[in-house]
Amino acid sequence: NAGVTQTPKFQVLKTGQSMTLQCAQDMNHEYMSWYRQDPGMGLRLIHYSVGAGITDQGEVPNGYNVSRSTTEDFPLRLLSAAPSQTSVYFCASSGAPGTGVRAEAFFGQGTRLTVV
Amino acid sequence: AQSVTQLDSQVPVFEEAPVELRCNYSSSVSVYLFWYVQYPNQGLQLLLKYLSGSTLVKGINGFEAEFNKSQTSFHLRKPSVHISDTAEYFCAVSEGTGFQKLVFGTGTRLLVSP
Repeated sequence: NAGVTQTPKFQVLKTGQSMTLQCAQDMNHEYMSWYRQDPGMGLRLIHYSVGAGITDQGEVPNGYNVSRSTTEDFPLRLLSAAPSQTSVYFCASSGAPGTGVRAEAFFGQGTRLTVV
Repeated sequence: AQSVTQLDSQVPVFEEAPVELRCNYSSSVSVYLFWYVQYPNQGLQLLLKYLSGSTLVKGINGFEAEFNKSQTSFHLRKPSVHISDTAEYFCAVSEGTGFQKLVFGTGTRLLVSP
């Protein structure tokens, strides 16, 4: 059971480039989220989804887009990378209440992104 | 909006000593509370969680936490730490029962020395 898988693990981008961070989960979870982790700031929510076709903004959504076409996948797109987006990005998934799944969020191993 | 405060950014401790990592949250409604551990260059692993019921919660690796509603606290404790407990610890609160919108504290780095 792979859990939450993020690719790539490391990425270096030039300012203005675009890219997609991939996230896939194999636990049939309804809910998925993207966070960024910066030194001294903990993890902050970028976007989240409560099911296929349903997404919403978190605390720091500017510069990022998401979509959820399947239950399994929740990609995060950077449209025009900026040095301020240098961070470690984590994807998480959790089950909907009352579905009998464990009541917790499962995290991927992270993607370390550097924008130069 | 919810917020979580971890009062100590770094806690140095000697091996086999007890440790307490402090966490306070702001909320006037029912909350769901979590402690996660992050080892260097790794993802987050759940240590323990409070959803309801007993206010003393036991987790993995000998950690426990106590939910105190009147003080809005959820401090993490371990009676005797090991070198391998050196890591960063995050307290988090959920704004809903689906846990898709966790609010994290800024983290506490636990440094265990021999």
